[in-house]
Amino acid sequence: EVQLVESGGGLVQPGGSLRLSCAASGFTFSSYWMHWVRQAPGKGLVWVSRINSDGSSTSYADSVKGRFTISRDNAKNTLYLQMNSLRAEDTAVYYCARGWYSSSHGGNWFDPWGQGTLVTVSS
Amino acid sequence: SYVLTQPPSVSVAPGQTARITCGGNNIGSKSVHWYQQKPGQAPVLVVYDDSDRPSGIPERFSGSNSGNTATLTISRVEAGDEADYYCQVWDSSSDHYVFGTGTKVTVL
Repeated sequence: EVQLVESGGGLVQPGGSLRLSCAASGFTFSSYWMHWVRQAPGKGLVWVSRINSDGSSTSYADSVKGRFTISRDNAKNTLYLQMNSLRAEDTAVYYCARGWYSSSHGGNWFDPWGQGTLVTVSS
Repeated sequence: SYVLTQPPSVSVAPGQTARITCGGNNIGSKSVHWYQQKPGQAPVLVVYDDSDRPSGIPERFSGSNSGNTATLTISRVEAGDEADYYCQVWDSSSDHYVFGTGTKVTVL
């Protein structure tokens, strides 16, 4: 069974740092692009970052660029998100998701998703 | 940046058809994907590449995409379909992934 399990969320003060982890199982982790998507309380989904299969290429939403760093350890089947200079507006449930690409249609989508980990930025 | 607009809510009686739209500039030239999210749960993919269904998703869920509007259609709606639905595309010009604003489907 394909499974993604996030951890590392919690309460952090503004300006602080946190590292999220996403443990993958049930598939060949090193073959897939991976993503982080977040959802503020009562709000919609927002893509945060993605990393390619070997970790050599990354992309970030403008709102987190320069503050967040995505990385992966294919030997440990684990995805990470290092979050620095955290702000109140970073408060959200953070989901990791496996990426898919369709060469015929040029589409990129997410499946499956982990259960999420809550990050709360507050003093 | 690319923007996707969805109606905030759609209401439908059991057994009827729900149609959820996703508007974007020339969205017909992009590949659109749809997710279902029930309260307190992670999103689940229900349609990818405009109209394909992952295994395990009922045939009642279908999608289309043309011009400036993509549509998710739920036929023979059931109480268990009550959820938030999000469309999503990849914006190749920015290499960013964009979600729609989300639509809450209420089964009357």
